[in-house]
Amino acid sequence: QVQLQESGPGLVKPSQTLSLTCTVSGGSISSGSYYWSWIRQPAGKGLEWIGRIYTSGSTNYNPSLKSRVTISVDTSKNQFSLKLSSVTAADTAVYYCARDRITGTTHWFDPWGQGTLVTVSS
Amino acid sequence: DIQMTQSPSSLSASVGDRVTITCQASQDISNYLNWYQQKPGKAPKLLIYDASNLETGVPSRFSGSGSGTDFTFTISSLQPEDIATYYCQQYDNLPMYTFGQGTKLEIK
Repeated sequence: QVQLQESGPGLVKPSQTLSLTCTVSGGSISSGSYYWSWIRQPAGKGLEWIGRIYTSGSTNYNPSLKSRVTISVDTSKNQFSLKLSSVTAADTAVYYCARDRITGTTHWFDPWGQGTLVTVSS
Repeated sequence: DIQMTQSPSSLSASVGDRVTITCQASQDISNYLNWYQQKPGKAPKLLIYDASNLETGVPSRFSGSGSGTDFTFTISSLQPEDIATYYCQQYDNLPMYTFGQGTKLEIK
């Protein structure tokens, strides 16, 4: 059974770059036709999709974050990563990685990582 | 962008009650809608896909309906373990996904 685990610094200074990695276990990140997504959730607020990557390296980003986001994949390590530049306090959130499953016209996120809290503060 | 508006934002109900949450899309999304359950400190879990299809293993007291712009999520008989926040999510406007703001469900 595929499992995802986020890792990275829990504290990032304003104006710096947030970097997180999602490690996929229990299966190959390259197997099947899956996208791999990042989603975030500020404390007490709703969910915001950040972007996704296909194992070919093709990416899609939320237009509201596109200028600051880079998602990459390392198939040799079974990982994909998120970089968010020029962070502010508004980027403080729990960051989730998730597999973007697609069957026909149906899309859903499953499984999800447990989430990792990133705080932007000096 | 497609906006998803859920109501109510919070809801208090008694065990055994029928609970209904609505989700309205800012434009027609056909039936391209999921419902997730999120318990405190946990990642969301898929309950309903394609607006009305129950995910495998999800109790039958959960159901969804609707198409176009108006959708409904129902718990037929509220159980204590259903305390969570529920989110709708559209996947019509690919590759952009958007979620509703969530409905926090509490026991009265």
